[in-house]
Amino acid sequence: EVQLVESGGGLVQPGGSLRLSCSASGFTFSSSAMHWVRQAPGKGLECVSAINSNGGTTYYADSVKGRFTISRDNSKNTLYLQMSSLSVGDTAVYYCVRMRPVAGTGVFDIWGQGTMLTVSS
Amino acid sequence: DIQLTQSPSFLSASVGDRVTITCRASQGISSYLDWYQQKPGKAPKVLIYAASTLQSGVPSRFSGSGSGTEFTLTISSLQPEDSATYYCQQLNSYPWTFGQGTKVEIK
Repeated sequence: EVQLVESGGGLVQPGGSLRLSCSASGFTFSSSAMHWVRQAPGKGLECVSAINSNGGTTYYADSVKGRFTISRDNSKNTLYLQMSSLSVGDTAVYYCVRMRPVAGTGVFDIWGQGTMLTVSS
Repeated sequence: DIQLTQSPSFLSASVGDRVTITCRASQGISSYLDWYQQKPGKAPKVLIYAASTLQSGVPSRFSGSGSGTEFTLTISSLQPEDSATYYCQQLNSYPWTFGQGTKVEIK
């Protein structure tokens, strides 16, 4: 079965750190570009970070640059998001997403169920 | 960053109605636009990619069109299970931004 399963969310105090993990199965993870997309409660979707298939290229939204680090372990079929200096504004459901290349671009065709991060004192 | 503006933000329509959602980009993005459907408590699901290509398994009542800066998602005959929020997303340049969403309600 093709799936992505996130873990690691929870309640963190402002200024704290947390690492999210995403375990992939049912597709060739090592050939896939991967993304983290977040959704604050009652709000829209925001791409926060991306990584290419071999981990050599990464992207970050300005809102998280310098605080979040995306990485992957292709031997474990796992994607990570290390988050630090967390603030209330980082409170959201974080989705792990596979981007499949199509037509010279891509499509977010596999989504995890999401993991909730709450930043609060 | 490229801004995407969807209209309307909310619409209410009856079963069988034809529904159209518009997505306008702040600059040209060729055909690098996808459409997603999200139901409460669930992850988004891709409907259309590359502006007009129907994702495998998605009902044919969904269609997409447009290029450059203006795009549309059309539901030809609205069904009860189409009650959801719809998002457009551009993949022309990172960050891959989303529109603010259009909530579709069934009357």
